[in-house]
Amino acid sequence: GQQLNQSPQSMFIQEGEDVSMNCTSSSIFNTWLWYKQEPGEGPVLLIALYKAGELTSNGRLTAQFGITRKDSFLNISASIPSDVGIYFCAGRWNAGNNRKLIWGLGTSLAVNP
Amino acid sequence: NAGVTQTPKFQVLKTGQSMTLQCAQDMNHNSMYWYRQDPGMGLRLIYYSASEGTTDKGEVPNGYNVSRLNKREFSLRLESAAPSQTSVYFCASTAGKKETQYFGPGTRLLVL
Repeated sequence: GQQLNQSPQSMFIQEGEDVSMNCTSSSIFNTWLWYKQEPGEGPVLLIALYKAGELTSNGRLTAQFGITRKDSFLNISASIPSDVGIYFCAGRWNAGNNRKLIWGLGTSLAVNP
Repeated sequence: NAGVTQTPKFQVLKTGQSMTLQCAQDMNHNSMYWYRQDPGMGLRLIYYSASEGTTDKGEVPNGYNVSRLNKREFSLRLESAAPSQTSVYFCASTAGKKETQYFGPGTRLLVL
């Protein structure tokens, strides 16, 4: 099935560093979502984007809906150990009865205290 | 609000056994989903239900059946479990036009 290209696949950083990850698609979307999954848990929504060019923050996290509608970016500033987890992007073209999200394979983040 | 709940949390089955995974949400959401998550494969949609009384196949429906029992509950059934169905299964639900999906904690299934 269709998947998003999410990069990087994994990151190992020092506490306090900033983090950037992105997702690209061959199709245009009108919804981009960013989730975080911690070990043994389900994905938790971090940020939702609904408009091209939109820039939205959630604490130290900032995400942007790319102007081409084919990409999205997530930045984490001043990382801390509890940022550890897998970050997933997901996109959808909201048309008709389409209820399906297209998912990236995730970016695994490790933070060295 | 408990959000999305799933039972059981863990299950071990022998090949050929059957079981039903239960999912319930208390957020009055219309749409519900079943995903499986395997290492390196991300989240793959098995089945979804856009509203009570309707179900549709997702990306990987073979070997599974679903029932949307009412607005709150959406169950996933494995009629004859196979080792390839060893996975972590997540249920999710959404409401409204923006349809942001909210996930349950998952069921970890091992088929021997």
